[in-house]
Amino acid sequence: DAKTTQPPSMDCAEGRAANLPCNHSTISGNEYVYWYRQIHSQGPQYIIHGLKNNETNEMASLIITEDRKSSTLILPHATLRDTAVYYCIVRGGSRLTFGEGTQLTVNP
Amino acid sequence: GAGVSQTPSNKVTEKGKYVELRCDPISGHTALYWYRQSLGQGPEFLIYFQGTGAADDSGLPNDRFFAVRPEGSVSTLKIQRTERGDSAVYLCASSLDPGTDTQYFGPGTRLTVL
Repeated sequence: DAKTTQPPSMDCAEGRAANLPCNHSTISGNEYVYWYRQIHSQGPQYIIHGLKNNETNEMASLIITEDRKSSTLILPHATLRDTAVYYCIVRGGSRLTFGEGTQLTVNP
Repeated sequence: GAGVSQTPSNKVTEKGKYVELRCDPISGHTALYWYRQSLGQGPEFLIYFQGTGAADDSGLPNDRFFAVRPEGSVSTLKIQRTERGDSAVYLCASSLDPGTDTQYFGPGTRLTVL
């Protein structure tokens, strides 16, 4: 699976949009981009995934660039409960390969 | 419906002892995965089951680690002769279909080896 690069930490004000970037320049054509998050002392929680089209669900939106070398996870109205480590994963097979993720802190 | 459950939530053992960690996947999910997470790091893949058989066990660190899923549902991760370096959170995930379907994680078992 392709390697991903994420900033180690980000801050966001409560109620504002949180935009979390991810670089995956070596992604292959059949590899999906997955996002999970992990709130302290809990298991990872699935957020969203996509191949090449932008995706939206009740939790977030995923924007993938046309060349697929990067993506952005958007939390439209961040709340304090969105404080977590966010993992961007490029997946081509059965296993998930986690990096160190981005620690998002939502401030009141 | 019910998510992935793992028992115990915490396990403290002494170096050299044997431990078993249990995972109950989401009902109907045929694929089951084990991961290990050390402090401050992302989860690392250990093993993946498709039904009753281990489809990929390349992440198991050594032969002290073994996992079974005899009836294609519940899985047990077994660690022999535990070492202090085995201390970590052990996470289980399941997915509806094998391979590439979305994986849903349990809360994990925190193992501490004294």
